[in-house]
Amino acid sequence: DGGITQSPKYLFRKEGQNVTLSCEQNLNHDAMYWYRQDPGQGLRLIYYSQIVNDFQKGDIAEGYSVSREKKESFPLTVTSAQKNPTAFYLCASSKGQAYGYTFGSGTRLTVV
Amino acid sequence: GQQLNQSPQSMFIQEGEDVSMNCTSSSIFNTWLWYKQEPGEGPVLLIALYKAGELTSNGRLTAQFGITRKDSFLNISASIPSDVGIYFCAGQRKSGGSNYKLTFGKGTLLTVNP
Repeated sequence: DGGITQSPKYLFRKEGQNVTLSCEQNLNHDAMYWYRQDPGQGLRLIYYSQIVNDFQKGDIAEGYSVSREKKESFPLTVTSAQKNPTAFYLCASSKGQAYGYTFGSGTRLTVV
Repeated sequence: GQQLNQSPQSMFIQEGEDVSMNCTSSSIFNTWLWYKQEPGEGPVLLIALYKAGELTSNGRLTAQFGITRKDSFLNISASIPSDVGIYFCAGQRKSGGSNYKLTFGKGTLLTVNP
């Protein structure tokens, strides 16, 4: 079955360390997205990519970086420059047309 | 970035009651989508609406695409405990090239008391 997989489900990081969240899809979708979710804040767009080797900043890109070397993969790195990284991170993909997004099951990152 | 105005922010209801929530925007959208998110999981698509005035049902769920293309509502009839979760509306419109940007509401947290 096609889908979008995020790993790990839970991640703990010490302050000052970079950490990379994985997102893989086998839906053959061109576009991929990263969102951050905090209680009461809804979904906020971090980065998105419409095509391999190209990506754009979303609304809250500071302290994050991404790469899109393969169509199937869109990893997100949370750098030490991110002031408040503890959150639930969601990856999504879409056909690039008006069909909405398919979401992964999320990664909960906690800074300890 | 722009967000949709989704209301209410939260609802506490008794099992069996009907529920209504809505989203409004100052901008026009081509598509309206409704998602449900359960605790610790990603949002799952419930209903997609593609035409102004469209009314679509999915079991006990009914959603409508507003005539002005600036609003949408979701109704849940005869609620059950498993309806608990956060419901998000999302509006989609073309943002350049082949990309259709999705804008989300802040969600409605639904609690159903058995």
